[in-house]
Amino acid sequence: EAQVTQNPRYLITVTGKKLTVTCSQNMNHEYMSWYRQDPGLGLRQIYYSMNVEVTDKGDVPEGYKVSRKEKRNFPLILESPSPNQTSLYFCASRRTDTQYFGPGTRLTVL
Amino acid sequence: DQQVKQNSPSLSVQEGRISILNCDYTNSMFDYFLWYKKYPAEGPTFLISISSIKDKNEDGRFTVFLNKSAKHLSLHIVPSQPGDSAVYFCAASVAGGYQKVTFGTGTKLQVIP
Repeated sequence: EAQVTQNPRYLITVTGKKLTVTCSQNMNHEYMSWYRQDPGLGLRQIYYSMNVEVTDKGDVPEGYKVSRKEKRNFPLILESPSPNQTSLYFCASRRTDTQYFGPGTRLTVL
Repeated sequence: DQQVKQNSPSLSVQEGRISILNCDYTNSMFDYFLWYKKYPAEGPTFLISISSIKDKNEDGRFTVFLNKSAKHLSLHIVPSQPGDSAVYFCAASVAGGYQKVTFGTGTKLQVIP
């Protein structure tokens, strides 16, 4: 089954404690991206990657890092999380115009 | 600066009638537009797209219209069904959608049986 998986699905952490949200896709897609969804702001793109070792900033990259060492994985790294990064995060991959989203990771930073 | 705007946060429509969801954009460089549907506790799913070289694209009950001069697009759902109740996001990108994608804030559609 074609899918994008994210882990963990839920995470509560404290300010400053580094964390990584993993994202994996089994469709051999070159393009992957991360979004955050906040009330009244919709989905905002954090980072995207057009291929292995090729990443670029989206609209809200501050406080986040990504890496793309292999095609299937695109982890999102928060080196020092802050409460304003409390949000619902989605990973996505795409080939043509169909972007497949993961189920989401709800992150709370206390 | 919200480059893609969905000014109606919510919309209620009777089952069987037409639902019209609207989206405006400000960046004239956008050349590819998409609509996504999102149910609670799930990721968004792709619905329909349109390139700036077209002004209409149809897929079953869903039709997207693009008015480039007005920088406006709309999604028509005919006939509306209760299963269409979801949040709909409009999105836009430059260069065929392979780069940064900008989403609107979403419109929550409720189809009343």
